[in-house]
Amino acid sequence: EIVLTQSPATLSLSPGERATLSCRASQSVSSYLAWYQQKPGQAPRLLIYDASNRATGIPARFSGSGSGTDFTLTISSLEPEDFAVYYCQQRSNWQGYTFGQGTKLEIK
Amino acid sequence: QITLKESGPTLVKPTQTLTLTCTFSGFSLSTSGVGVGWIRQPPGKALEWLALIYWDDDKRYSPSLKSRLTITKDTSKNQVVLTMTNMDPVDTATYYCAHLSIAARAFDYWGQGTLVTVSS
Repeated sequence: EIVLTQSPATLSLSPGERATLSCRASQSVSSYLAWYQQKPGQAPRLLIYDASNRATGIPARFSGSGSGTDFTLTISSLEPEDFAVYYCQQRSNWQGYTFGQGTKLEIK
Repeated sequence: QITLKESGPTLVKPTQTLTLTCTFSGFSLSTSGVGVGWIRQPPGKALEWLALIYWDDDKRYSPSLKSRLTITKDTSKNQVVLTMTNMDPVDTATYYCAHLSIAARAFDYWGQGTLVTVSS
């Protein structure tokens, strides 16, 4: 089973700062990686798919990069509503889907 | 507009079987390229993918839970059903169903989730 490891577990930043979140896969997932945002009491929201494609309605300050085993979600300038938990997710033909353990982005 | 909603018991006893239903609208599970998945989240913990069913009735399960899970679809009712046997208190979680975009290889629409507590 492919394991996704996210770092850091918690990231403390201020509005206006740049956020860089990492997701590492235990084996190559090609570019089949997605990122989600989850706020308390809400379902996750798809941000990025196929490593670098923004989902419908996602602001341009969110960007994704990477391939193979190392991926990054970047938020160029944090807005107050961006403080949440972020998850990466991979898809494997035969092993299905897995999620990372999440990165909590909190206000400093 | 795509919507999904989970329904089922809020409380189950240990060793019982859980049956959850996902009722959706705005798409058809008979359309090529569509899937519906189940994901759960224990309180305060991370998301865990459970199962997925595709438009062509192909199914995928989490390797660690495969022996306990069954996913089925009723295209005429726009429903997907997940059963999980031998429930344990560690299975206490919010259970979500979600629309899978095959093109995106990701879950682009989610239900609100339903909290299932396992306790005697």
